[in-house]
Amino acid sequence: DTGVSQNPRHKITKRGQNVTFRCDPISEHNRLYWYRQTLGQGPEFLTYFQNEAQLEKSRLLSDRFSAERPKGSFSTLEIQRTEQGDSAMYLCASSLGGSYSNQPQHFGDGTRLSIL
Amino acid sequence: AQTVTQSQPEMSVQEAETVTLSCTYDTSENNYYLFWYKQPPSRQMILVIRQEAYKQQNATENRFSVNFQKAAKSFSLKISDSQLGDTAMYFCALREYNFNKFYFGSGTKLNVKP
Repeated sequence: DTGVSQNPRHKITKRGQNVTFRCDPISEHNRLYWYRQTLGQGPEFLTYFQNEAQLEKSRLLSDRFSAERPKGSFSTLEIQRTEQGDSAMYLCASSLGGSYSNQPQHFGDGTRLSIL
Repeated sequence: AQTVTQSQPEMSVQEAETVTLSCTYDTSENNYYLFWYKQPPSRQMILVIRQEAYKQQNATENRFSVNFQKAAKSFSLKISDSQLGDTAMYFCALREYNFNKFYFGSGTKLNVKP
């Protein structure tokens, strides 16, 4: 179990640029989640994949945000035309099981995005 | 709407003493799971303890235990014999059976003092 891996750890970019983050879940986990966490707050749900299918998206995920999970393995989260308000920690988590599973999520270290 | 509320932004405890972190939640579902996660400074979030709503017995994991009051929608975390390594942000989370989203509270920052 190598854990959930996120890259990069930090990203600094100018407003208006596009950024892409990558998440590699624990290999046997079929579920993958993206969250956004701002300072002093808990994680806010952005989107969720079961295998390669994106099953749910938060209203927080504007049309500038897109997430993919090709082949049900790693996932990418892209933010286009970044804005100051996008500055946050972006967390990825993965878990195993069906709807009635009590399996917890395993989190990565996160990618901290800073918009100049 | 599902909400998770942690009313204590920050708490302190002396090493070796006991501390209780509060969490209340709101859901219309009868079946759900509750979790406490720990996020040490600059480190990843890890699971501390979990509770299935259908179980009346409170979950226990070594020095960590919960007081689950379903009718009151309360889910507090008790840390016994606090250690310096317990210093972290603690998040309470809710997941309903039929849904896959986790709802997190705003967290409680716990400082364990030597």
